[in-house]
Amino acid sequence: GENVEQHPSTLSVQEGDSAVIKCTYSDSASNYFPWYKQELGKRPQLIIDIRSNVGEKKDQRIAVTLNKTAKHFSLHITETQPEDSAVYFCAARRTQGGSEKLVFGKGTKLTVNP
Amino acid sequence: KAGVTQTPRYLIKTRGQQVTLSCSPISGHRSVSWYQQTPGQGLQFLFEYFSETQRNKGNFPGRFSGRQFSNSRSEMNVSTLELGDSALYLCASSLEVGSEAFFGQGTRLTVV
Repeated sequence: GENVEQHPSTLSVQEGDSAVIKCTYSDSASNYFPWYKQELGKRPQLIIDIRSNVGEKKDQRIAVTLNKTAKHFSLHITETQPEDSAVYFCAARRTQGGSEKLVFGKGTKLTVNP
Repeated sequence: KAGVTQTPRYLIKTRGQQVTLSCSPISGHRSVSWYQQTPGQGLQFLFEYFSETQRNKGNFPGRFSGRQFSNSRSEMNVSTLELGDSALYLCASSLEVGSEAFFGQGTRLTVV
């Protein structure tokens, strides 16, 4: 089955710096890769996603890149702000066969220091 | 539109008891998935339902079960609770196959 590895497990940056979180997946049939942000005591919230027919997607200060050949994808946050502090989870899913099962990485705790 | 609603938010049970958690998906969403979140294991898939049918099941013991009703609301049940079942149980709903999954706020289960 699918396995998703996420690095680093913790990341501390200064406000205004960039942050990069990387994930690798094992199932070459996976074709959907969402990123979730979970603030303390709150639900995971979808912040950006990418499908396997796209190499990069941007939404304001957030971007995700996908390398299908190497089976890895990354989250890039530019101009970080204290409110970006949270745990970020990557996930992978194959949609063939009708399955909605998301396989998650273990999460990255991002701390943005003012 | 209301988001995904999970009840109850918090629950304390003793070992050996059973518990039922409820999830109401976003209106119009027919797919519901359940996940267990713990500090050590992260988010782990329990099962998913679509149109009242279980489509996939994770690697959890048979004590964990679920169902989905005709209005897409879903319940999960855990019988013979163990201390290790203490976790945040999250459900997520999707409009259809391949669409984005939106999470509820979860039910925090503590087994004592």
